[in-house]
Amino acid sequence: DAGITQSPRHKVTETGTPVTLRCHQTENHRYMYWYRQDPGHGLRLIHYSYGVKDTDKGEVSDGYSVSRSKTEDFLLTLESATSSQTSVYFCAISESLQGVETQYFGPGTRLLVL
Amino acid sequence: GDSVTQMEGPVTLSEEAFLTINCTYTATGYPSLFWYVQYPGEGLQLLLKATKADDKGSNKGFEATYRKETTSFHLEKGSVQVSDSAVYFCALSYDYKLSFGAGTTVTVRA
Repeated sequence: DAGITQSPRHKVTETGTPVTLRCHQTENHRYMYWYRQDPGHGLRLIHYSYGVKDTDKGEVSDGYSVSRSKTEDFLLTLESATSSQTSVYFCAISESLQGVETQYFGPGTRLLVL
Repeated sequence: GDSVTQMEGPVTLSEEAFLTINCTYTATGYPSLFWYVQYPGEGLQLLLKATKADDKGSNKGFEATYRKETTSFHLEKGSVQVSDSAVYFCALSYDYKLSFGAGTTVTVRA
């Protein structure tokens, strides 16, 4: 357990509405990540952060933005949700384990966009 | 870019059968390799990892060996249990990021 929580755990929203998902960690890890999981695609990186106010895009960043104003919180925002953003979203942190950067995942947020 | 390809599922086995899930990778450098497991309704858990050629990762009876010559990291377990039913993901690391395979769903029947 890497001390990662996600909120909300489930959300139903309508097309065109803004949505913010929160990832919270308790162990002061520098790197945090947002992934989405879809059948047949595994997990795909949306955005990641390497420090407070330091973020970068992943492979599927269109339609998403992120913010990190505190070490412990990493927010993912869908500015105007679309049905294609229906997915399960996972947050992760990176921790050095025996000299190897290893990612640990939160429990996920299931988002349905109607 | 760096990527992994893992065998498609679903895979259905009987209890005590031998399990192999194939994973091959493409990378310009020498990435670390990982297997993650996702049980129904849960997040991903690290199952095992290997960081260099010929390293063997092992955990919960599962093993995988980092084969540089065949660019592979196949997951094996000698005798599966019903509790091993899950989705298994192969992944490689590059620049503090992970690239995942599509996942293999494994169902073990009693």
